Amino acid sequence: AQSVTQPDIHITVSEGASLELRCNYSYGATPYLFWYVQSPGQGLQLLLKYFSGDTLVQGIKGFEAEFKRSQSSFNLRKPSVHWSDAAEYFCAVTGFQKLVFGTGTRLLVSP
Amino acid sequence: EAGVTQSPTHLIKTRGQQATLRCSPISGHTSVYWYQQALGLGLQFLLWYDEGEERNRGNFPPRFSGRQFPNYSSELNVNALELEDSALYLCASSFLRVGDEQFFGPGTRLTVL
Repeated sequence: AQSVTQPDIHITVSEGASLELRCNYSYGATPYLFWYVQSPGQGLQLLLKYFSGDTLVQGIKGFEAEFKRSQSSFNLRKPSVHWSDAAEYFCAVTGFQKLVFGTGTRLLVSP
Repeated sequence: EAGVTQSPTHLIKTRGQQATLRCSPISGHTSVYWYQQALGLGLQFLLWYDEGEERNRGNFPPRFSGRQFPNYSSELNVNALELEDSALYLCASSFLRVGDEQFFGPGTRLTVL
């Protein structure tokens, strides 16, 4: 069965600093991978997705993610964090149309 | 273009009652998904409907049920409510294509007292 691990529950980053959120997945075939963001009390917004092809994926709001099959990872990065990026981030893999989510990483941005 | 809409925003029920949550997908999307986001349990897949049929179901008891209407909107019904059903219920929609992204609504916050 597919699964997703996000090892960091909380991460604090200074505004303007770079960010990397970790995601490891378990899936038998080529995975379809997603990163979603959730602001407090809101639904989920898709940041980016990976289906195939180029392993470096660009998303919205300046985010990117790199798919590494050898490490079963799909880490999310941003070169310079803004205070508005403070939110919870979820990595997900899809299997038979249902999304399997990681437990999420809460990003705190310090001034 | 309108996104996924859900109603009501908040719902307060007592234990043993029934709750009905509603979802309208993005125009053109035929698939609707329901997820539960409970404190401490993360986001869990509940149900998937497409073209009026239940296609997949998560590991939830039968008192969680739903349906999809001819206009592709959907209802989630939770019978015999228990305290642990308190959660944010998220609806998502997509086209029926393998791996296609799901677009989420703002959710319904269900509180069971």
